[in-house]
Amino acid sequence: GQSLEQPSEVTAVEGAIVQINCTYQTSGFYGLSWYQQHDGGAPTFLSYNALDGLEETGRFSSFLSRSDSYGYLLLQELQMKDSASYFCAVRGGGNTGFQKLVFGTGTRLLVSP
Amino acid sequence: GAGVSQSPSNKVTEKGKDVELRCDPISGHTALYWYRQSLGQGLEFLIYFQGNSAPDKSGLPSDRFSAERTGGSVSTLTIQRTQQEDSAVYLCASSLFGTSGYEQYFGPGTRLTVT
Repeated sequence: GQSLEQPSEVTAVEGAIVQINCTYQTSGFYGLSWYQQHDGGAPTFLSYNALDGLEETGRFSSFLSRSDSYGYLLLQELQMKDSASYFCAVRGGGNTGFQKLVFGTGTRLLVSP
Repeated sequence: GAGVSQSPSNKVTEKGKDVELRCDPISGHTALYWYRQSLGQGLEFLIYFQGNSAPDKSGLPSDRFSAERTGGSVSTLTIQRTQQEDSAVYLCASSLFGTSGYEQYFGPGTRLTVT
């Protein structure tokens, strides 16, 4: 099976940089995704890493180390609108589970002025 | 283009009643997923449809839960004899098969409250 661990909450101030970590245990690994969810809203896709290294998309970057079963989401130049919950997710393995995602419990990011 | 839509947005039902939740995926997306999210929790996978293949039902919590997808598009999640522990937000998502499921587009969800 798969399990993912994330910090439950992270706080930061506007303009700062914050890193949200995710460690995972999987029976097979096919990639790590990140999603953002504002209160009362739907999760939205942020990034995906299938290979080791850093993927950059504007103010957001995502990193993966497959040897350490570890990834992180880096948010730069924080804005108040970045206050949300952030979930890491891994793709399920095997023939039937190949496309389903297993989500972590989420990290609530609170950005203050 | 239009995103994933779900109806109703809110549903309050009495314990023991049956409910149906509907999902309209993005046109052209062959994969459709149902998740459940309890307050302050992560997303719990329920069921996955891919084209005309048999669905992956491995996440359905009990035989009171069932889902179907008609014509490769609209999907309905049915919960029979609802229980209070079924109260949650039910989210539907769709994806292009080519992205292999890592990039899913979610609907706004249906908030189900069982009294």
